[in-house]
Amino acid sequence: QVQLVESGGGVVQPGRSLSLSCEASGFPFNTYGMHWVRQAPGKGLEWLAVIWYDGSDKYYADSVKGRFTISRDNSKNTLYLEMNSLRVEDTAVYYCARDRRKWELLCDYFDYWGQGTLVTVSS
Amino acid sequence: EIVLTQSPATLSLSPGDRATLSCRASQTVGTYLGWYQQKPGQAPRLLIYDASNRATGIPARFSGSGSGTDFTLTINSLEPEDFAVYYCQQRSSWPPLTFGGGTKVEI
Repeated sequence: QVQLVESGGGVVQPGRSLSLSCEASGFPFNTYGMHWVRQAPGKGLEWLAVIWYDGSDKYYADSVKGRFTISRDNSKNTLYLEMNSLRVEDTAVYYCARDRRKWELLCDYFDYWGQGTLVTVSS
Repeated sequence: EIVLTQSPATLSLSPGDRATLSCRASQTVGTYLGWYQQKPGQAPRLLIYDASNRATGIPARFSGSGSGTDFTLTINSLEPEDFAVYYCQQRSSWPPLTFGGGTKVEI
């Protein structure tokens, strides 16, 4: 069965960096685009970034562009999110999610999600 | 950026009732709209894609309709497990992919 397991969350001071990982299993990871989506406490969902199945292109939300970097290692079935210059408003549960369609160089919907990892930015 | 506005913010219903949730887009998204269900402490679950297609394993009591800027998620005969927050999401124009603010269906 498809599984996505995020890790790397924690408490970090404003201005510092943090790296998240998402280990995938149960499907051919190298055939699906992957996303990061976050949810601030008690708030709605915010899409952050996508990376194509082959890593050939990436897109970001304006709120994180230039600060966050999405990447993947298909040999390790792992998705990453490098977060720099963190702000208090980046506090959220961070989810990795699979794009619904394989082999696509388009964004679709999210058909599988991880359980999320909490990032708290606080001094 | 396409803004999605969901209404109402909260829907108070009873098991067995029909729920009708609305999602309005700031510009046309064609039929490129999906719906998710999220329960407390859980990740969202895809219910509907491309306005009216049920995702794998989703019960038939969930249905979606609409096109252009106005969309509806209908849940026929609410089951106890359907009380949750529901989000719409568009994939018509990106980046960014955008979500609505959510509708909470409560007892």
